Amino acid sequence: DTGVSQNPRHKITKRGQNVTFRCDPISEHNRLYWYRQTLGQGPEFLTYFQNEAQLEKSRLLSDRFSAERPKGSFSTLEIQRTEQGDSAMYLCASSPTGDTIYFGEGSWLTVV
Amino acid sequence: ELKVEQNPLFLSMQEEKNYTIYCNYSTTSDRLYWYRQDPGKSLESLFVLLSNGAVKQEGRLMASLDTKARLSTLHITAAVHDLSATYFCAVVLYRSARQLTFGSGTQLTVLP
Repeated sequence: DTGVSQNPRHKITKRGQNVTFRCDPISEHNRLYWYRQTLGQGPEFLTYFQNEAQLEKSRLLSDRFSAERPKGSFSTLEIQRTEQGDSAMYLCASSPTGDTIYFGEGSWLTVV
Repeated sequence: ELKVEQNPLFLSMQEEKNYTIYCNYSTTSDRLYWYRQDPGKSLESLFVLLSNGAVKQEGRLMASLDTKARLSTLHITAAVHDLSATYFCAVVLYRSARQLTFGSGTQLTVLP
């Protein structure tokens, strides 16, 4: 399968702990996006990379959140000092041109 | 700020009936997406509409875009149970390929 791959698929963590999610985009897709989705809502944009450059960040992305895409391939999203409000599904997506955007299966985070 | 509104939010329909989901957005955009999401799953791309008057069809689903009215429709013809899912529309700000703004979704249930 050559789709967008995300790991881990599920993570339960205690409040205050740090968590990191990884995203492997579809090969040769230079655009990579992170979104967050809570139950009953549409996904909300977090950040966007073109190759290794982080070109856009949402105001939702507080200073506890950091994303990287070294070498323009895989990406990581780290959440420091997790809070219960961070519980959500974190979706990664990639695109070659921006016309069609392909989403991964998502990483579910539960903060207890 | 770009706002995207879908209606209805919940839709129960009988098999073999037709119905339309509406997606209104608040500012100029040249790109509109429709996605399907099954419970606990990621988003599956259905359609990308790139110009005024664009119409795309796949099976029992047909999507159209009127950029002047800032309106897209997703028409369902002769619904079947397999179409039960949540449908999202998403819009990109004009001349920006960086972030999608999603509607709240329409939860469709097709009843036998």
